Amino acid sequence: DQQVKQNSPSLSVQEGRISILNCDYTNSMFDYFLWYKKYPAEGPTFLISISSIKDKNEDGRFTVFLNKSAKHLSLHIVPSQPGDSAVYFCAASPNRDDKIIFGKGTRLHILP
Amino acid sequence: GAGVSQSPRYKVAKRGQDVALRCDPISGHVSLFWYQQALGQGPEFLTYFQNEAQLDKSGLPSDRFFAERPEGSVSTLKIQRTQQEDSAVYLCASSPFGQLSGNTIYFGEGSWLTVV
Repeated sequence: DQQVKQNSPSLSVQEGRISILNCDYTNSMFDYFLWYKKYPAEGPTFLISISSIKDKNEDGRFTVFLNKSAKHLSLHIVPSQPGDSAVYFCAASPNRDDKIIFGKGTRLHILP
Repeated sequence: GAGVSQSPRYKVAKRGQDVALRCDPISGHVSLFWYQQALGQGPEFLTYFQNEAQLDKSGLPSDRFFAERPEGSVSTLKIQRTQQEDSAVYLCASSPFGQLSGNTIYFGEGSWLTVV
């Protein structure tokens, strides 16, 4: 039973355009959400996070939006760059001090 | 090196064989985590140490899986009598703080286990 769902296995976006990666969750106890980025043969690296008291968090080209009523969050990357091609994992946790539950990931391809 | 180091990077084991996977966390990091990532899946939590204490082992899939961190630094994940369903990447991560989640977790490159 997947508690964190990333329904798009892959996404292709033109360089310079906006990339939008979506994530849904089922556990209403989740209070803290994270996005990780993973290149081939490397471990995941932290990208951006958001707590449930916010609906938006921005860090440079990356913005995460949270809609608690819909149990949905999204990661926006603008403008998309070739180095953004990677697998992106959505993750959630009941709080900062509990284990992280990961989604299956979305592979993002940035097209030249 | 400065990051989390895992060995071996690649391991092929015959079904029924025992394997041991090693993790060298970042020096001084209090917390250490093991995750299992099967093909096409996201990482799944296995176990968590704070120093030498194993505080959460709820994710270990069976009693064939055992993890230790005897001196609060290097950790070993041992899998006994390996089965084909154990084939996965085993990720180790460490954190300077006593927290299970958050942006302070640093992952290693993983140990790729294939059971044949």
